[in-house]
Amino acid sequence: GNSVTQMEGPVTLSEEAFLTINCTYTATGYPSLFWYVQYPGEGLQLLLKATKADDKGSNKGFEATYRKETTSFHLEKGSVQVSDSAVYFCALTLVSGTDKLIFGTGTRLQVFP
Amino acid sequence: GAVVSQHPSWVICKSGTSVKIECRSLDFQATTMFWYRQFPKQSLMLMATSNEGSKATYEQGVEKDKFLINHASLTLSTLTVTSAHPEDSSFYICSATTTGINQPQHFGDGTRLSIL
Repeated sequence: GNSVTQMEGPVTLSEEAFLTINCTYTATGYPSLFWYVQYPGEGLQLLLKATKADDKGSNKGFEATYRKETTSFHLEKGSVQVSDSAVYFCALTLVSGTDKLIFGTGTRLQVFP
Repeated sequence: GAVVSQHPSWVICKSGTSVKIECRSLDFQATTMFWYRQFPKQSLMLMATSNEGSKATYEQGVEKDKFLINHASLTLSTLTVTSAHPEDSSFYICSATTTGINQPQHFGDGTRLSIL
């Protein structure tokens, strides 16, 4: 079946530290991959996406590369800020936009000054 | 960018009442809308998928008579939790997308439902 596995949190970092949140997937076919961010009490916002192998999605200093050989889509940021504290969800669809999203369990990031 | 509005953001009601949650796409035609449920500190669980003008497709284990979904127009979908009980208390989130290649889902801000 199709699934997404994320590293368990919380991830606790000091401001300006380097961030990596691991995400691997299992999918039949060729999925599109996404990272969503959820701030406290809010819905999800699309952070970045990649629709084919070797694509790199990037936004607001975050980036992730679609690695087909390792079935991974790890989220990275070179220097985190307190305002990045949120829950990050890795997700996939098999048909981008028109098919249902399959989410990982989410990883809570806490950044301290 | 694309905006999805979800209303209400918070509702508290007595056990046995029905609660309606609205999900509107403000600047695009939402041909497909999704309804999710999220328990505290957990991931989103897809409840159902609705296409405009069609009956919703429910995920396994979701009671369609309990969670009524209507998607009568390209900008509005509603989720009605009928005869709500405390175990229905949760965070409900909708998302919407339109037809086309690589169209993402846009999420509402969610509705926190508390049943007393």
